[in-house]
Amino acid sequence: AQKITQTQPGMFVQEKEAVTLDCTYDTSDPSYGLFWYKQPSSGEMIFLIYQGSYDQQNATEGRYSLNFQKARKSANLVISASQLGDSAMYFCAMRSEMNTGFQKLVFGTGTRLLVSP
Amino acid sequence: NAGVTQTPKFQVLKTGQSMTLQCAQDMNHNSMYWYRQDPGMGLRLIYYSASEGTTDKGEVPNGYNVSRLNKREFSLRLESAAPSQTSVYFCASSDGGWTYNSPLHFGNGTRLTVT
Repeated sequence: AQKITQTQPGMFVQEKEAVTLDCTYDTSDPSYGLFWYKQPSSGEMIFLIYQGSYDQQNATEGRYSLNFQKARKSANLVISASQLGDSAMYFCAMRSEMNTGFQKLVFGTGTRLLVSP
Repeated sequence: NAGVTQTPKFQVLKTGQSMTLQCAQDMNHNSMYWYRQDPGMGLRLIYYSASEGTTDKGEVPNGYNVSRLNKREFSLRLESAAPSQTSVYFCASSDGGWTYNSPLHFGNGTRLTVT
């Protein structure tokens, strides 16, 4: 069965510093996708970045990058030059091939990031 | 472009009451989903609809029913609400679940309290 583990309930970082949010996953499927979502205090879920299991390079989207280590089954989110607006809950999620052929997204429990001035 | 629209935003029910959460998307997506979010548990899938005319159970379907009314709309019904169903409910849609790289697009959520 698929499983996503986020071991950091909360993280603190100072403005302009970089921060890494950890995510490990478990799947026996050879093909899968890893996603990160941001949930600010207003509650909406915002898609940040995607990494495919066969992608050769780590994904990047602006200040977000994904440190993908396939052998270790980890997909950590790196936020460079943190901003106050980055304070939010961050969720790691995975989608892999299922027996039915339809892939559902499974989420971790989230990490709350607080950026201080 | 509204994306995924959920109604209502807030709801308070008494135990045993019923209600339907509405969801509509205007992105011409094939697949739609209902998740619930509880503190410390992330988002858990209640039901999903891979395509118009099909629905399937997710991880926590007990106490819920769904209807995929058409390609745009996917509703979630609580027939007899229980305090354990107090949660934030999210509707989402995607191009399809048949490829693993399509992200989900979420509505803004419905905060439901059952007393």
